[in-house]
Amino acid sequence: DTEVTQTPKHLVMGMTNKKSLKCEQHMGHRAMYWYKQKAKKPPELMFVYSYEKLSINESVPSRFSPECPNSSLLNLHLHALQPEDSALYLCASSLGTSGNNEQFFGPGTRLTVL
Amino acid sequence: GQSLEQPSEVTAVEGAIVQINCTYQTSGFYGLSWYQQHDGGAPTFLSYNALDGLEETGRFSSFLSRSDSYGYLLLQELQMKDSASYFCAVIVPGGKLIFGQGTTLQVKP
Repeated sequence: DTEVTQTPKHLVMGMTNKKSLKCEQHMGHRAMYWYKQKAKKPPELMFVYSYEKLSINESVPSRFSPECPNSSLLNLHLHALQPEDSALYLCASSLGTSGNNEQFFGPGTRLTVL
Repeated sequence: GQSLEQPSEVTAVEGAIVQINCTYQTSGFYGLSWYQQHDGGAPTFLSYNALDGLEETGRFSSFLSRSDSYGYLLLQELQMKDSASYFCAVIVPGGKLIFGQGTTLQVKP
């Protein structure tokens, strides 16, 4: 299994809703990432988990809350989002966080906040 | 600060060769990666250079000069399906990928 899966593919939510994005990989990777990508822009790193511990938080607002229940799963909990948070949310994984570690990206969740 | 510069758009015809350049200025450097992203899709890894020189993978090659903080992606025998955005990205300590703004490649018949 050489892929990263993400659910849901699309999500529409109101500003008062609580929702979660899910990401899964079975490649034995120990590093997992959340990125946010706006149209015509590069992915922007949000969080890095290494061995199930949060190692990098790129000053992301607290309305985004990551969780890594085990080495194969990564969640992103969303609460009280703003319309400007509408974007493609990408999950990625890699063997580790040092040196050359090719990051495999999932297909993304396209989020629309109304 | 951390910055990567690459052209915003490149146009070429089928069968041609195109080179996408990338210059970078980052705190720390493990290597330079290239990703392809089609509209509506996810980034797909193309190549990685940690040492100076040319790496070849089929129709795609990637080059790195660490002393010049410069690299490029070379696409040969262009096909229509190569129309996509191409991102250079530097891997820095901690596993962070710093992306360039992306180059939109349009391949014309």
